[in-house]
Formats: sequence, structure tokens, C-alpha cells
Amino acid sequence: AQKITQTQPGMFVQEKEAVTLDCTYDTSDPSYGLFWYKQPSSGEMIFLIYQGSYDQQNATEGRYSLNFQKARKSANLVISASQLGDSAMYFCAMREVSGGYQKVTFGTGTKLQVIP
Amino acid sequence: EAQVTQNPRYLITVTGKKLTVTCSQNMNHEYMSWYRQDPGLGLRQIYYSMNVEVTDKGDVPEGYKVSRKEKRNFPLILESPSPNQTSLYFCASSFLSVNTEAFFGQGTRLTVV
Repeated sequence: AQKITQTQPGMFVQEKEAVTLDCTYDTSDPSYGLFWYKQPSSGEMIFLIYQGSYDQQNATEGRYSLNFQKARKSANLVISASQLGDSAMYFCAMREVSGGYQKVTFGTGTKLQVIP
Repeated sequence: EAQVTQNPRYLITVTGKKLTVTCSQNMNHEYMSWYRQDPGLGLRQIYYSMNVEVTDKGDVPEGYKVSRKEKRNFPLILESPSPNQTSLYFCASSFLSVNTEAFFGQGTRLTVV
């Protein structure tokens, strides 16, 4: 099974509307972190938001929020009031800690295009 | 300025010619890792290091080597590159705690002909 699954290869959203990017994960480790990164066309990787496995509340960072549903193993990114500059690839990632190792797995990404 | 520096940014090489991509960070991070990014596959972890002299395989380690002799540096070595290693490579670093985000280098676009 894929450890991180992003089922939306591409999405469109109207400027100023909200959009949800889906991410499901699979792990048996009790301690893990979930991250979202943005990759604009220029190529750099930009950290957006983090959610810990033990966090009780959903993370928020400005216009970004993470809809964390632990029982369903989902960590969807919500972008409110979309802007043209939000057009980019978005990657969900999971950092697992188990025994002596600590691995990071990324999803295949969602390409978001914001329409004026 | 806190940063992860990769060099070179672009590299075209021939099959079998050994190459090294350097990565350096100035944030005193324990954890460093290398990823390759291919269309439709996202980023895949090649190797990671949890501290000096501590390295381990990621999901796609075949054909790559790494070393961590100093905390700040984590070079990626391709001893005999092949065309299927043509990709965009990222180095990243973070603190060891699971709740810290990674800082990425600018990426290295490698083409093996």
C-alpha cells in the first residue's frame, strides 16, 4: 500500500474561493508528522503547514489549514481565499519515527491552478 | 541567512562518469536527506542521515552513495551514473524531532546521456 496517497493529479479553483487538496496516509507508527509543501513553477520547495500525530487540534497557518482526521488517516489541506500565486504543485509528506529509523515519504502531488 | 546549498544546480554528464552533488546546511540540523523528483512520482527519499556517520537507505537507494563526515555536509555520490538517474535532486535538512519541517536546497537538475 502507498504510504501517502494524493488522488487529485490536478485541480482548478476560482480566485477567492476555497479549495481542499486530499491526502491519505498509511502507517502503524504511533508517532509521525504530516507536512504540506508547495512547489511553484520556479521549483523550490516551500513548507506550508505541519500536523503531529498527537495533536488534538487541526493546524492552521494563515490561509492554510489542515483537516486532520486520524481515524480515517487523512490530512487534507484547505486553502481559503485562493490567490493567483497559489498556482503550484502541492505535496503531502509523512515523517515516521520508529525504532532507530526516521523516514520521510511524499505523495505524488496535486497541481493546483487558480483561475482569475 | 539560514539555507541549504546544493551544487551544481545543473549537470549534464555521460554514462559511467562518477559525479558528486554537494549539499551543505548552516542551521546545525542533525537530519539530512536526499530526494529525487520525477514526473508523476513525487519526491522519493534516496538516503538520509540522522547525524554524523549515521546514514540509512531511503526508498530508492540503488546506484547512489552518501557520506556524513561533518554535520553540515551531506554529499550524494553517483559512482557510475546511468540514464535512469536523470532527475531533479533535492537535498533537505531539519532537526531530528518529528515535528520540524525540512528546509530544501534549490535542487540539482541532472541529465545522464
